[in-house]
Amino acid sequence: AQSVTQLDSQVPVFEEAPVELRCNYSSSVSVYLFWYVQYPNQGLQLLLKYLSGSTLVKGINGFEAEFNKSQTSFHLRKPSVHISDTAEYFCAVTLKEDGGYNKLIFGAGTRLAVHP
Amino acid sequence: DGGITQSPKYLFRKEGQNVTLSCEQNLNHDAMYWYRQDPGQGLRLIYYSQIVNDFQKGDIAEGYSVSREKKESFPLTVTSAQKNPTAFYLCASSIAGAYNEQFFGPGTRLTVL
Repeated sequence: AQSVTQLDSQVPVFEEAPVELRCNYSSSVSVYLFWYVQYPNQGLQLLLKYLSGSTLVKGINGFEAEFNKSQTSFHLRKPSVHISDTAEYFCAVTLKEDGGYNKLIFGAGTRLAVHP
Repeated sequence: DGGITQSPKYLFRKEGQNVTLSCEQNLNHDAMYWYRQDPGQGLRLIYYSQIVNDFQKGDIAEGYSVSREKKESFPLTVTSAQKNPTAFYLCASSIAGAYNEQFFGPGTRLTVL
């Protein structure tokens, strides 16, 4: 069965510092990969997704992620964070199945806290 | 503006009562989903529907029921059989196909007293 592991439950960082949020998945078949952001008491918003092609994916708000098939990882990065990036971040995976619906498997989330 | 609405934002119920959470979308999406979110556990799928008048159980369907009579609407009923119903509930929708983004509503926080 698929699973998604977000290696850090909380990541504190100072404003303007770089950050990496780690995500590993387990799957024996090809997958699609997503990162979502959730601000307090709100729904989730898509940051970026990897479907195929270039392994470096750029998303909104200056975030990017790199797909590493050999390490089954999809880590999220930002070179310089802002206070407004404080939120919870979820990594999610779905199987590539022709005609299938996209059942997303979510990680437990990483809470990013940006301090002034 | 296209999007997903969930109502109410906060809901309080007494133990033993059924309660229905509303989810409406005007994105013309075929697929809709209900998730439950608990602290430290990410999101877990309750039910999903790929087409009107059809739905399937997700990973934690026990104690919940849904209906899909209209494309735009996918209400979730939390029944008295759900042992621990207090949680944040999120509705989502998407175009059919595994590679398509799911769009999420703002959520409903249910507290059972």
